[in-house]
Amino acid sequence: SQTIHQWPATLVQPVGSPLSLECTVEGTSNPNLYWYRQAAGRGLQLLFYSVGIGQISSEVPQNLSASRPQDRQFILSSKKLLLSDSGFYLCAWRNSGANVLTFGAGSRLTVL
Amino acid sequence: RKEVEQDPGPFNVPEGATVAFNCTYSNSASQSFFWYRQDCRKEPKLLMSVYSSGNEDGRFTAQLNRASQYISLLIRDSKLSDSATYLCALSLRGGADGLTFGKGTHLIIQP
Repeated sequence: SQTIHQWPATLVQPVGSPLSLECTVEGTSNPNLYWYRQAAGRGLQLLFYSVGIGQISSEVPQNLSASRPQDRQFILSSKKLLLSDSGFYLCAWRNSGANVLTFGAGSRLTVL
Repeated sequence: RKEVEQDPGPFNVPEGATVAFNCTYSNSASQSFFWYRQDCRKEPKLLMSVYSSGNEDGRFTAQLNRASQYISLLIRDSKLSDSATYLCALSLRGGADGLTFGKGTHLIIQP
């Protein structure tokens, strides 16, 4: 069966520090991968998605970036965090051709 | 007009009651529809897909009204464990670009 892992689960970072969140999927090949953010009082916002290695589509311009160095690995990064980057970051996957998204457990980021 | 709108609630409902809430969408080209459940500080989990003819899964019934552009979720015989936030989601283009979510409706089942 397929599983999705995200880490770290929780982190507190100072403004201006870098960020790296990692997501891996097991039990499937060539999945579509997604990064969403859920800020306090706001809905789920799609940040990036990827249909294959090295292929990244950005939905919202910001100081975040994403990379997909391997088929089942998706990384969210920032060089310098802003206060507004605080939120609950969720990685999700689905098989190409399917519509249902499955989410990882999320990474809760607090920027101070 | 926002793409996907939900009444944020909270809906306070006594245990055993029936509760229903809607989700409206603006893009008539929306193709696929879902209800997700999200517990506090957890990830959203798929509750059920929504089919054109309506579908039922135990105490849960989902319906789609394309003419009026809304989907609904009905929960019968509500349980304390149904307390959660319910997110509607849709696929705008049926492509690879993920799902668009509403902000969710917060449901509290009271004993």
